[in-house]
Amino acid sequence: GESVGLHLPTLSVQEGDNSIINCAYSNSASDYFIWYKQESGKGPQFIIDIRSNMDKRQGQRVTVLLNKTVKHLSLQIAATQPGDSAVYFCAEATGNQFYFGTGTSLTVIP
Amino acid sequence: DTGVSQNPRHKITKRGQNVTFRCDPISEHNRLYWYRQTLGQGPEFLTYFQNEAQLEKSRLLSDRFSAERPKGSFSTLEIQRTEQGDSAMYLCASSLGRTGFYGYTFGSGTRLTVV
Repeated sequence: GESVGLHLPTLSVQEGDNSIINCAYSNSASDYFIWYKQESGKGPQFIIDIRSNMDKRQGQRVTVLLNKTVKHLSLQIAATQPGDSAVYFCAEATGNQFYFGTGTSLTVIP
Repeated sequence: DTGVSQNPRHKITKRGQNVTFRCDPISEHNRLYWYRQTLGQGPEFLTYFQNEAQLEKSRLLSDRFSAERPKGSFSTLEIQRTEQGDSAMYLCASSLGRTGFYGYTFGSGTRLTVV
């Protein structure tokens, strides 16, 4: 199977600070990537996506960076809020399915 | 349309029993996916449908698992002769096309506990 891993299993940040969550992927043929947020007891929720022909994409308070050279993906959350506390997954698409990493648990300290 | 709906939300069953879960995707989405997620792990792909055709199945989908999407709308996932190792969250997702707009949309899942 594919290998999608995250550098840090847990991350704690102060409210208002910026958060950076990193992800390494292994399949250079993956052409589409998504960051998902998952709160306890809920299904993953789309945050932002990026295609392999891009290296940066911005959304509302979130930015995804893609470095294909080192097969690295990051999610930046600006002005982190308590509602951002959740587990964050990166997922890579190869063919018709997504491969998810283990997840990083983000805790926002008020 | 309120997104992807999964029922039941929770299911507790005795080992050896059969269980069936239902997924109602977003109505205009032609693709439907089943994933399984165990505690502390990311979702793992099980199978996907394009309309009513089941086009891909993971090695994780043993012979005890069967999925259907008879009219290209809702889907069911049945697990026969459940085992304790089947305890997990079963997630359904749908999309329009391969990646669709905003990618997959997941339901809230069905949490299965086999005792």
